[in-house]
Amino acid sequence: AQSVAQPEDQVNVAEGNPLTVKCTYSVSGNPYLFWYVQYPNRGLQFLLKYITGDNLVKGSYGFEAEFNKSQTSFHLKKPSALVSDSALYFCAVRLLAPFSGGYNKLIFGAGTRLAVHP
Amino acid sequence: KAGVTQTPRYLIKTRGQQVTLSCSPISGHRSVSWYQQTPGQGLQFLFEYFSETQRNKGNFPGRFSGRQFSNSRSEMNVSTLELGDSALYLCASSLPGDRALGSYEQYFGPGTRLTVT
Repeated sequence: AQSVAQPEDQVNVAEGNPLTVKCTYSVSGNPYLFWYVQYPNRGLQFLLKYITGDNLVKGSYGFEAEFNKSQTSFHLKKPSALVSDSALYFCAVRLLAPFSGGYNKLIFGAGTRLAVHP
Repeated sequence: KAGVTQTPRYLIKTRGQQVTLSCSPISGHRSVSWYQQTPGQGLQFLFEYFSETQRNKGNFPGRFSGRQFSNSRSEMNVSTLELGDSALYLCASSLPGDRALGSYEQYFGPGTRLTVT
């Protein structure tokens, strides 16, 4: 079955320290991977994506993610965390229909709550 | 560009009633997807519309339906509401994707919070 896993419910980090939010996936073929962030009472905001090419992807707000095909992982990283980064983070993979359209079905991980402490 | 808008933002209904939620995509976006977000089940895909046609559907009962209009605006309808339908319903739009271009990211609206009592 095709799936996305975020093994940590919550990640705590001190402001100024590097942060990592983990994501692993299980899909057939080459994955299209995404990270989204959700602030309280808000929709999801797109951070970055991996489609092909360089394994290190840079995105919004200083975030980056590293695609590792051998470990089937796509961890989100930031060199120096801010208190304002505290939010719910979702990893997602796009499932591609084999023969027809319908390429906008995203499968989301359960989410990881990031708490950055002053 | 204006973002994805959803109306209403909050809704309270009673069991057995039906509800219609509305979504206006970003200008130029022709693909609209709907998701249900609950604390227990997380984010789950409901369906996707493109050019007024449903392209893909998640594992939800037939009480959940949707449609898309010629201007790409979309509505979803839930009939015979149950307590378990209480959730945040999110709409997302993107440029149309095909097999080669399925890399487009989706842009989400703020959601409609539905409470069923």
